[in-house]
Amino acid sequence: SQQGEEDPQALSIQEGENATMNCSYKTSINNLQWYRQNSGRGLVHLILIRSNEREKHSGRLRVTLDTSKKSSSLLITASRAADTASYFCATDGTSGSRLTFGEGTQLTVNP
Amino acid sequence: DAGITQSPRHKVTETGTPVTLRCHQTENHRYMYWYRQDPGHGLRLIHYSYGVKDTDKGEVSDGYSVSRSKTEDFLLTLESATSSQTSVYFCAISAGPAYNEQFFGPGTRLTVL
Repeated sequence: SQQGEEDPQALSIQEGENATMNCSYKTSINNLQWYRQNSGRGLVHLILIRSNEREKHSGRLRVTLDTSKKSSSLLITASRAADTASYFCATDGTSGSRLTFGEGTQLTVNP
Repeated sequence: DAGITQSPRHKVTETGTPVTLRCHQTENHRYMYWYRQDPGHGLRLIHYSYGVKDTDKGEVSDGYSVSRSKTEDFLLTLESATSSQTSVYFCAISAGPAYNEQFFGPGTRLTVL
């Protein structure tokens, strides 16, 4: 079964609004990552947060991690139409080099 | 796409035929991965490699084999394609300070009739 599960499965917002996506996982992790996938393309790495970190920022992205709840959230502020994509969380356990992906959240930003 | 190419990009084949997909990277990365992506399942790991001739199974390895005779090439073979193997296949490499981050190729869309 998948380690990460994203919520919601789909999200539709207006340009300029914030988008929040959540990820829950089941077992202990070393790191949690978020990826974006535009339609018909490969995944692109967005941000990595380590298990001893609680929050991380990168441009308009803000990621939080709550290891006690085994959950993470990705916030995209001031969304743009170009942010329309699927977003996946991925976790790695003790092996480090293997990732387990969730099923993704489909974000649509309407102009 | 981080110097990763996949070939072919699209393929239609018939049930029972062997199929080989190729992943090529130009930056000497040690770790390479093959995933399949299907609606409702996200990305699932098929096989991965941690060096030349060093490979291991992922969660959905049945019906697939891999080979890595050179650092730059990682081949995925469907020994006898079935309709359930219709999917989009992605190759990835690991990079970054602790080899945690993965970088993906553009994908191969395979249809098995």
